[in-house]
Amino acid sequence: GAVVSQHPSWVICKSGTSVKIECRSLDFQATTMFWYRQFPKQSLMLMATSNEGSKATYEQGVEKDKFLINHASLTLSTLTVTSAHPEDSSFYICSAGQAQGAADTQYFGPGTRLTVL
Amino acid sequence: GENVEQHPSTLSVQEGDSAVIKCTYSDSASNYFPWYKQELGKGPQLIIDIRSNVGEKKDQRIAVTLNKTAKHFSLHITETQPEDSAVYFCAASNGAAGNKLTFGGGTRVLVKP
Repeated sequence: GAVVSQHPSWVICKSGTSVKIECRSLDFQATTMFWYRQFPKQSLMLMATSNEGSKATYEQGVEKDKFLINHASLTLSTLTVTSAHPEDSSFYICSAGQAQGAADTQYFGPGTRLTVL
Repeated sequence: GENVEQHPSTLSVQEGDSAVIKCTYSDSASNYFPWYKQELGKGPQLIIDIRSNVGEKKDQRIAVTLNKTAKHFSLHITETQPEDSAVYFCAASNGAAGNKLTFGGGTRVLVKP
């Protein structure tokens, strides 16, 4: 149980285009979903916290107009990278929280490799 | 905010030996401490976690200990195998404050056959 999927697993796009990444919790309803990006050989950097039906909360330094997050249901959150540029190339990973006692357990998706040419 | 430090950054062990990774955290309100294993090009996989009302937890070859007073927790892998080679991340969160995970910097573990 507790499976999180992401789609696509990789994407290559031209500079200036927008890319949408989907994150789904397959066998549970997520309390909260989180979006991270990860550069090579580095730790995960939290970008934003996403709750169903409400606006996402962005971490300091993350442009909310560039990284649009929509959380349509308890099992689906999407991240759209708008007007992507080469510096947006990264590994994007989502996680979904499953309520378990005083603190949620977070399960991660397999990640999406974005390459902007 | 929470700060999590993880040591060592790299760890090389012989197959069959034990591996220990240590983390310290700063926020005494943190109450959940998961460990994730990340293989190259994949998302982090939850391997074990511990909550603040427990001091130790074991799952086959993996164990985690938590010292709330000293604010540190450790991952122990016994009888290491080549497939244990990966990057391991510790993390901490506070369930009453939005469940945001704060990650350590990661430990690259290499198990030599």
